Amino acid sequence: GDSVTQMEGPVTLSEEAFLTINCTYTATGYPSLFWYVQYPGEGLQLLLKATKADDKGSNKGFEATYRKETTSFHLEKGSVQVSDSAVYFCALSTGTGFQKLVFGTGTRLLVSP
Amino acid sequence: GAGVSQTPSNKVTEKGKYVELRCDPISGHTALYWYRQSLGQGPEFLIYFQGTGAADDSGLPNDRFFAVRPEGSVSTLKIQRTERGDSAVYLCASSSQGGFMNTEAFFGQGTRLTVV
Repeated sequence: GDSVTQMEGPVTLSEEAFLTINCTYTATGYPSLFWYVQYPGEGLQLLLKATKADDKGSNKGFEATYRKETTSFHLEKGSVQVSDSAVYFCALSTGTGFQKLVFGTGTRLLVSP
Repeated sequence: GAGVSQTPSNKVTEKGKYVELRCDPISGHTALYWYRQSLGQGPEFLIYFQGTGAADDSGLPNDRFFAVRPEGSVSTLKIQRTERGDSAVYLCASSSQGGFMNTEAFFGQGTRLTVV
């Protein structure tokens, strides 16, 4: 079945460091790919998405490129801030007509001043 | 405008009891989803409603779990004969336009269910 694998955390960085959170997927169809973020005490929020190969999703300085050849959707940010501390979830959807999301286990990011 | 609202935020129940979890979606959203997030895991799909009908309930783990959305707005997830393994955060999400790929699903903050 469809699945998402993302790097285990926590990822601990200093402010202004470069961030990469790896995500790879297995899917029978041609999925759309998503990154969701969960800030402390808040619900899941969509961070960015890509719906076809080579698309780049971007938001709030975060980027991820849909790589079909490597079945990957790694999340990157050039300079993290303390406010980026959260749990990040990679997800895919192959649903025809609705978003039935399959999530990874989440990666906790801790950014220190 | 209000987001997706879930009540209660926390629920502690004894093994074997019946519980109901409520979700108020964003007004006008026709698609509604339930997910379950166990400790240290990502959310897992339970059921999807399009309007009043359950279009896909393939994620419900067994027949102790049931969900309704009688008027196409508020939804209730019902769990009978609760077990300790049902302890998790239950998430609700809603989206517009029938939940198609190009629309965003908005999540509530979840109900943390603890079965003791």
